[in-house]
Amino acid sequence: AQTVTQSQPEMSVQEAETVTLSCTYDTSESDYYLFWYKQPPSRQMILVIRQEAYKQQNATENRFSVNFQKAAKSFSLKISDSQLGDAAMYFCAYRTLLYNFNKFYFGSGTKLNVKP
Amino acid sequence: NAGVTQTPKFRVLKTGQSMTLLCAQDMNHEYMYWYRQDPGMGLRLIHYSVGEGTTAKGEVPDGYNVSRLKKQNFLLGLESAAPSQTSVYFCASSTGREGTEAFFGQGTRLTVV
Repeated sequence: AQTVTQSQPEMSVQEAETVTLSCTYDTSESDYYLFWYKQPPSRQMILVIRQEAYKQQNATENRFSVNFQKAAKSFSLKISDSQLGDAAMYFCAYRTLLYNFNKFYFGSGTKLNVKP
Repeated sequence: NAGVTQTPKFRVLKTGQSMTLLCAQDMNHEYMYWYRQDPGMGLRLIHYSVGEGTTAKGEVPDGYNVSRLKKQNFLLGLESAAPSQTSVYFCASSTGREGTEAFFGQGTRLTVV
């Protein structure tokens, strides 16, 4: 089974600064999807960004961008111009595309604190 | 558009009691999932379903049962609750189309005393 590792249980960033959250994964598949989800204190899981493995171009969504290194099996999330509302748990997720194994695997999460 | 709705949002059970968590989605998604979230362990897959009438075990299925009698509903049952099942439970759904994300319910905080 695929495994997703987030090695930073907690991180802090100053408001308006940039922070990078790390994620690595283990897979033997060549085609798959990767996601970053945000979970604020409300508990709701919110999609932040997605990346297709077959695309070399890194995905971006406003202040959020990823650094996808397929060979290294690394998928980090960069948050620019951090805002107080970015404080949350962030989960990295992997979606397998194997037939009938349409599952999502999640990392253990990184708690991001944003200091004013 | 309600998306994914879980019922109830909070529940306290005594050890040995049973209960059913309800999940309903109105997006006509084929796939549905039940996860549990525990501190430091992320989301772990309990059971999932790839279509109406089908279910399969995830990585932590012991002590849980599921049913998917209708495409829009996915039920998670605890037959005899144990304190180790104290957790936050999330239901999610997705389409079979590549690249689509999982859509989540609001979660159910379950405490077994």
